[in-house]
Amino acid sequence: ENVLTQSPVTLSLSPGDRATLSCRGSQTFISNYLAWYQQKPGQPPRLLVYGGSIRATGIPGRFSGSGSGTDFTLTISGLEPEDAAVYYCQYDTWTFGQGTKVEIK
Amino acid sequence: VQLLQSGAEVKSPGASVKVSCKASGYMFTTYYIYWVRQAPGQGLECMAMINPGGSTRYSTEKFQDRVTLTSDTRSAYFQLTSLTPDDTAVYYCARKTIASLTSGFDVWGQGTKVTVSS
Repeated sequence: ENVLTQSPVTLSLSPGDRATLSCRGSQTFISNYLAWYQQKPGQPPRLLVYGGSIRATGIPGRFSGSGSGTDFTLTISGLEPEDAAVYYCQYDTWTFGQGTKVEIK
Repeated sequence: VQLLQSGAEVKSPGASVKVSCKASGYMFTTYYIYWVRQAPGQGLECMAMINPGGSTRYSTEKFQDRVTLTSDTRSAYFQLTSLTPDDTAVYYCARKTIASLTSGFDVWGQGTKVTVSS
């Protein structure tokens, strides 16, 4: 089982900043099986990125996924107030990271 | 495209719960349905999946003795038995295309809150 560790636990940034969220696996990833989700309070998760770097339908261009090996990154370029949420990585469908909370100052 | 789940449930320890997930707006048999739960204040846990268009169904080892998965023409059903307070969570259904191994869960149900309490 590939255990996913996300960091940091919480990220507090200002509008317009760049957010860099990390997802590290205990084993080497096949990058195509890596996805990222955004979850706001009281809502189900929303798919942002799949296949490691492919933005899902309707996702703004400021969200981008990248990485290889055991380290993957979700970058939010130019934070908007509505980006405040918890972000989860997912590997091979069955494994989720514990989440990173993004706060907007 | 929508997945509509059944309403909140309150159960006693030892009871069972059955959650439904009704699909609309797409060809039901071309997507797997997964079940994911989220305990209060916690992260996401993927529990089980069913292929509505075939015979495949799977639960993780942690749940395989307590989960029953079924489906009909437009809905998937998730049953969890021998409930304990640790099963208190929001249960989501989500779809994943059969056509690609690398896609994610692109549509989610609204969630069903299950509370287990004596």
